[in-house]
Amino acid sequence: QKEVEQDPGPLSVPEGAIVSLNCTYSNSAFQYFMWYRQYSRKGPELLMYTYSSGNKEDGRFTAQVDKSSKYISLFIRDSQPSDSATYLCAMRGNSGGSNYKLTFGKGTLLTVNP
Amino acid sequence: DVKVTQSSRYLVKRTGEKVFLECVQDMDHENMFWYRQDPGLGLRLIYFSYDVKMKEKGDIPEGYSVSREKKERFSLILESASTNQTSMYLCASLPRGGGQPQHFGDGTRLSIL
Repeated sequence: QKEVEQDPGPLSVPEGAIVSLNCTYSNSAFQYFMWYRQYSRKGPELLMYTYSSGNKEDGRFTAQVDKSSKYISLFIRDSQPSDSATYLCAMRGNSGGSNYKLTFGKGTLLTVNP
Repeated sequence: DVKVTQSSRYLVKRTGEKVFLECVQDMDHENMFWYRQDPGLGLRLIYFSYDVKMKEKGDIPEGYSVSREKKERFSLILESASTNQTSMYLCASLPRGGGQPQHFGDGTRLSIL
């Protein structure tokens, strides 16, 4: 079983739709969870950052972490064409050294159609 | 805002050349990372450094080395470039304590001919 599983898509939705992106993981030591957005030919840009379980909201974006199920989600409300990008989930452990290393999902390609 | 700058956006080199990729961060972060990103494989860690002159191998260090002589600069070196090192290379940084996310540069798209 891969450490982090993410459906690569592609996912195509109409403008205004609610988008749900998900990752599952197997390593119970993961404590920090991130979502990055990556436009074509650019570096990953941090969208959401959460520690342990719970929800976090920032504008149209909501991140959820369920550590008991080893499952994280990103919801995008009122999706816009400018949200079209690859979305990467990433996670890591709590202490230093090699635990700072991020483990990534392979990314989900999202297209929002006008 | 954290700024991570990679010196080249696009680079074309020949097989067998020694290639240097440079990364600079302006936030006095102790930890710096080099990843490569390939279609279908995602991001994979090559090397990271947790302080000046300190380094640790990541998941795919073969064919690469690194240098960290100053805190703000982390260099990735391809000792003898090969075509299978054609990839997107991404640098990231993180402060000591780790209670913040990694911030990435815009990447260097390297082609080895």
